[in-house]
Amino acid sequence: KAGVTQTPRYLIKTRGQQVTLSCSPISGHRSVSWYQQTPGQGLQFLFEYFSETQRNKGNFPGRFSGRQFSNSRSEMNVSTLELGDSALYLCASSILGTGGYTFGSGTRLTVV
Amino acid sequence: QQQVKQSPQSLIVQKGGISIINCAYENTAFDYFPWYQQFPGKGPALLIAIRPDVSEKKEGRFTISFNKSAKQFSLHIMDSQPGDSATYFCAASNTGTASKLTFGTGTRLQVTL
Repeated sequence: KAGVTQTPRYLIKTRGQQVTLSCSPISGHRSVSWYQQTPGQGLQFLFEYFSETQRNKGNFPGRFSGRQFSNSRSEMNVSTLELGDSALYLCASSILGTGGYTFGSGTRLTVV
Repeated sequence: QQQVKQSPQSLIVQKGGISIINCAYENTAFDYFPWYQQFPGKGPALLIAIRPDVSEKKEGRFTISFNKSAKQFSLHIMDSQPGDSATYFCAASNTGTASKLTFGTGTRLQVTL
């Protein structure tokens, strides 16, 4: 069974640009969540999607957005990038209500 | 109320020893408590999880102890091996309406020979 696939693995962007990250969940998992991981703030919840609807949102500015497609694949977008957005962005999928999230290997975003 | 506090920040254990990592939570609505293991360059991997109706769960060398009244839970790694050297995160979630994971700050475990 294929795991959670995130693309790309690495990105370097310039301040002010925007970026789109992609996540393909485990087959059958319709809940997809996104997390940001930094050395200073640890793992922080960004948002969760289920059946193309955002169920929950973390405490991040509106520059961070996401969406989910009918095949459960998800994308997150960060606009007007800031240096502080440099982080590992992790996607996790699960069967809704079970709590058992499976994480991908993440996208390492560097903003210069 | 959403915090999960984890200690210690780092831990060095000899091969064959017992590694113990502790977490405490505040939100009594949490009903799912997983532990994740993360190696450099990888995403967190689910190690073991427990629900509050159980006081202990064991899977191989890994055991979660759960104290509902104290709002604390811990991970014990028996017979620690160098391959266990990684960062461990405790987490908690309410699997109902707000199923997001709230993570602890992580414990970097080093198992020496």
